[in-house]
Amino acid sequence: GAGVSQSPSNKVTEKGKDVELRCDPISGHTALYWYRQSLGQGLEFLIYFQGNSAPDKSGLPSDRFSAERTGGSVSTLTIQRTQQEDSAVYLCASSPSTGISYEQYFGPGTRLTVT
Amino acid sequence: GQQVMQIPQYQHVQEGEDFTTYCNSSTTLSNIQWYKQRPGGHPVFLIQLVKSGEVKKQKRLTFQFGEAKKNSSLHITATQTTDVGTYFCAGDNAGNNRKLIWGLGTSLAVNP
Repeated sequence: GAGVSQSPSNKVTEKGKDVELRCDPISGHTALYWYRQSLGQGLEFLIYFQGNSAPDKSGLPSDRFSAERTGGSVSTLTIQRTQQEDSAVYLCASSPSTGISYEQYFGPGTRLTVT
Repeated sequence: GQQVMQIPQYQHVQEGEDFTTYCNSSTTLSNIQWYKQRPGGHPVFLIQLVKSGEVKKQKRLTFQFGEAKKNSSLHITATQTTDVGTYFCAGDNAGNNRKLIWGLGTSLAVNP
């Protein structure tokens, strides 16, 4: 079946503008994760969804960042009043929430550049 | 808070040499996962270790989980240029939210 998809693949925006990033998880995966990865760096956890609820928002860098998930499927990550330090690749991953093995399946990411 | 340290940060080897990356957690893990990220790509799941002292092999890759379930290693025998990339370990914090605690990764470069 289809893997995790993300859109857009690339986004260039001006400082101060809002952006919305979308993630379509693998069908049936109830867990969904957002990460941020700067060039040559590790993964920075942002937020985790179980179904439509977000039990862990601890990684969101500021109140300019928000995320929602509807219907237990698609998720959007919104960054308001973007700053240059928001430039990074935003990765989404999904995972089944049952069974012993629950590896995360990553999408290709959205490369965000704030000018 | 819980941390997962990964060493070395970088490793440069000649093709055919062996390579090992180590992962150490500040707390006991319920399980640990390993991922590989090729340059320009996204992380791809390699394996999950669950049992204390577990050893798993995938062709030239050998994964170990420590007896205390606080450390793990990935060993590649006779590296090839296709092994180039960043290897991440990620530990399960044993909570119900299944949030993984990620190491910073080891970047492997292989000279042909």
